[in-house]
Amino acid sequence: AQTVTQSQPEMSVQEAETVTLSCTYDTSESDYYLFWYKQPPSRQMILVIRQEAYKQQNATENRFSVNFQKAAKSFSLKISDSQLGDAAMYFCAYRGNTGNQFYFGTGTSLTVIP
Amino acid sequence: EPEVTQTPSHQVTQMGQEVILHCVPISNHLYFYWYRQILGQKVEFLVSFYNNEISEKSEIFDDQFSVERPDGSNFTLKIRSTKLEDSAMYFCASSELQTNEQFFGPGTRLTVL
Repeated sequence: AQTVTQSQPEMSVQEAETVTLSCTYDTSESDYYLFWYKQPPSRQMILVIRQEAYKQQNATENRFSVNFQKAAKSFSLKISDSQLGDAAMYFCAYRGNTGNQFYFGTGTSLTVIP
Repeated sequence: EPEVTQTPSHQVTQMGQEVILHCVPISNHLYFYWYRQILGQKVEFLVSFYNNEISEKSEIFDDQFSVERPDGSNFTLKIRSTKLEDSAMYFCASSELQTNEQFFGPGTRLTVL
């Protein structure tokens, strides 16, 4: 079964600074999808960014970008110019090309220090 | 912006009781999912549902669990005889297509006493 590992249970960043959240995964599939979800306190998970494995170019959404290293099975999230509203739990998720289920990591709790 | 909604937000039940968790997926979505997250653990997949039938389920989704789409808008998860270890946050999700992102609801916290 696929596994997703987030090795940083907690991270903190100074407001306006940059932070990188790590994610690695294990799969034997060659085609798949990777996601970062954000879960603010007491609110639902929302999609931050997604990456299709067949695309070599790293996905970018405004201040959020990923460093997708397919050979290393690494999918880190970079948040630039961190804002107080970025404080949340961040989950990395994997979805294979067949099947519906997402495999989630354990999450990284991000604190933004004013 | 359309959202997935879930009710109740918190459900407390006695061990052995049946519970039904309710979800209203986004209206034009075709795929529906249930996940759970035991406190301090990963979000785990339970089941996916498409075209009025289960399309995929995990080992967790045993005979105690069932899902239903009783009408055109609701998607329910039933646990027949709850156990202490069923205490968790249960998330409903939906997606337009199989390959699209999944939109998650706010979750129902189930506490089994």
